[in-house]
Amino acid sequence: LAKTTQPISMDSYEGQEVNITCSHNNIATNDYITWYQQFPSQGPRFIIQGYKTKVTNEVASLFIPADRKSSTLSLPRVSLSDTAVYYCLVGDKAAGNKLTFGGGTRVLVKP
Amino acid sequence: DTEVTQTPKHLVMGMTNKKSLKCEQHMGHRAMYWYKQKAKKPPELMFVYSYEKLSINESVPSRFSPECPNSSLLNLHLHALQPEDSALYLCASSHSPGNRGAGEKLFFGSGTQLSVL
Repeated sequence: LAKTTQPISMDSYEGQEVNITCSHNNIATNDYITWYQQFPSQGPRFIIQGYKTKVTNEVASLFIPADRKSSTLSLPRVSLSDTAVYYCLVGDKAAGNKLTFGGGTRVLVKP
Repeated sequence: DTEVTQTPKHLVMGMTNKKSLKCEQHMGHRAMYWYKQKAKKPPELMFVYSYEKLSINESVPSRFSPECPNSSLLNLHLHALQPEDSALYLCASSHSPGNRGAGEKLFFGSGTQLSVL
């Protein structure tokens, strides 16, 4: 199973763009890259998922280089409510749905 | 309905008690998961059910006993727990295990905060 590495924490200010990079050096051919957001005392919530290049939805963008050994979650114009922990997850269905989270990045958005 | 519902939200139990955590989803998902999360740590996978059959047990102690009565329900039976088992227990579901061509998207409940005294 691919092992993921993320920065432990990041600080930002309202209105700024936040970019969180996850390293997954031994990602397998079939692995997708998924990002989740978690608030205290709640379950993680799906943000975005991708396999290669760039994916964008209404809340975030995900950039994946050609070698797929890393990925970057981009949160445009963050607000105070974006303060949360963000997890990168790389899963391989060939491993029997063993989906394991990375260490998480604690993002603090300041006013 | 895109919710995963977990009950109870909070549970305090003694080391000799027997209790159960319950999880329910009505999205037609055929994979269901139990995760354990300690404070300031990522969720750790405990069990995976695929089509109501246990497919993964991450070497979880036998004092935790999962059960999947049907495709919508998942239980976690607790017996003789230790104080170090205190944690947030999260249930999740996903559409179709082994669905080639798409990554799994997990839907999580809000969890049960368990305290073992």
